[in-house]
Amino acid sequence: GENVEQHPSTLSVQEGDSAVIKCTYSDSASNYFPWYKQELGKRPQLIIDIRSNVGEKKDQRIAVTLNKTAKHFSLHITETQPEDSAVYFCADNQAGTALIFGKGTTLSVSS
Amino acid sequence: DAGVIQSPRHEVTEMGQEVTLRCKPISGHDYLFWYRQTMMRGLELLIYFNNNVPIDDSGMPEDRFSAKMPNASFSTLKIQPSEPRDSAVYFCASSLGRGVSGANVLTFGAGSRLTVL
Repeated sequence: GENVEQHPSTLSVQEGDSAVIKCTYSDSASNYFPWYKQELGKRPQLIIDIRSNVGEKKDQRIAVTLNKTAKHFSLHITETQPEDSAVYFCADNQAGTALIFGKGTTLSVSS
Repeated sequence: DAGVIQSPRHEVTEMGQEVTLRCKPISGHDYLFWYRQTMMRGLELLIYFNNNVPIDDSGMPEDRFSAKMPNASFSTLKIQPSEPRDSAVYFCASSLGRGVSGANVLTFGAGSRLTVL
């Protein structure tokens, strides 16, 4: 399958600012779009996900939006904190059950 | 549950040697996945199993790589012979099946960092 296109590859923000990461997918059959956070030297962990019957989902300071027409979905982090610094991966289930991941975005939050 | 368990955590070997990575999925999860992570290529899906049966191995780079799942609680990824370009972190992950609440949610193991000299 094709990789999910993820942008930007790196993102630097000041503490308290918002951060937005965008992903574009190609398979209209994809119906599940998660975001994983990977801290340095650790394993990827799910932070939020959205299914195709929903346009937006929020969990405290993070939110994900889905535009099925344009085939893109975005991660929004508000009031960023230094502990948000990590690599963030989007994914979709174009392979059916298996997830195909984007190349990742390295987020740096400076205080 | 102790989560997805992988071993070894670190492996350093010489080119040409056989490498075997091991994974124990979460009990009750009927899907198991092997991913490889490198700086250049990100997280690549190598192969995945459903109820111990390989479903899609199109991501396996070449014949030097093989994976097995002899039972619901154990899987191996073998590289023979290993090459320096195989150096990467190999992650195993497991998930529940389709139609179940929480389906598609991957729980990753801690990874096996392989260095081939």
